[in-house]
Amino acid sequence: QVQLKESGPGLVQPSETLSLTCTVSGFSLTSYSVSWVRQPSGKGPEWMGRMWYDGDTAYNSALKSRLSISRDTSKNQVFLKMNSLQTDDTGTYYCTRDRTEGPDYWGQGVMVTVSS
Amino acid sequence: IQLTQSPSLLSASVGDRVTLSCKGSQNINNYLAWYQQKLGEAPKLLIYNTNSLQTGIPSRFSGSGSGTDYTLTISSLQPEDVATYFCYQYNNGWTFGGGTKLELK
Repeated sequence: QVQLKESGPGLVQPSETLSLTCTVSGFSLTSYSVSWVRQPSGKGPEWMGRMWYDGDTAYNSALKSRLSISRDTSKNQVFLKMNSLQTDDTGTYYCTRDRTEGPDYWGQGVMVTVSS
Repeated sequence: IQLTQSPSLLSASVGDRVTLSCKGSQNINNYLAWYQQKLGEAPKLLIYNTNSLQTGIPSRFSGSGSGTDYTLTISSLQPEDVATYFCYQYNNGWTFGGGTKLELK
């Protein structure tokens, strides 16, 4: 069955870099795209960026200068790195499997708090 | 494209017909989906391409709309439908709405 699981630190210092890993199973990263979506507490989700099935990437223009998404197909993993974190980057970070019509499977999410 | 959902909070009774609205800042060309998020859970895909029901979703959920205005309808509200609902457009970039929280009256 399709599964996605996010992992990474729960606490990041302001101005530091966030590194998250999405480990997938039940599908191939060369057949489906994977996105990162974040959600501040009590607010709507925000699409951050995507690793396309062909290895190309797309980024939210508001985050593009700070964000990098990569993958290791041999390990079924997609990576997110975002630098210069601030307190308003606090929230739950999800990875999602994407169809053309939007994300159809989501990971459980990882809560990230930016605080000193 | 920005998405505005209304109302932000909706109270309804079991059995009620419920309508949630999503309005785009530009034409969405029917590339709109709806997600349900229960407390502490990840969002779940309900509807895609404006009116196509995702596999396994009860038929009391339906979607409609065109242009900039879209609607999610629950024909007969059930207790398990208490959740926050988000719309999502994939016509021009990818954006989510701010959500409508649905509670029981």
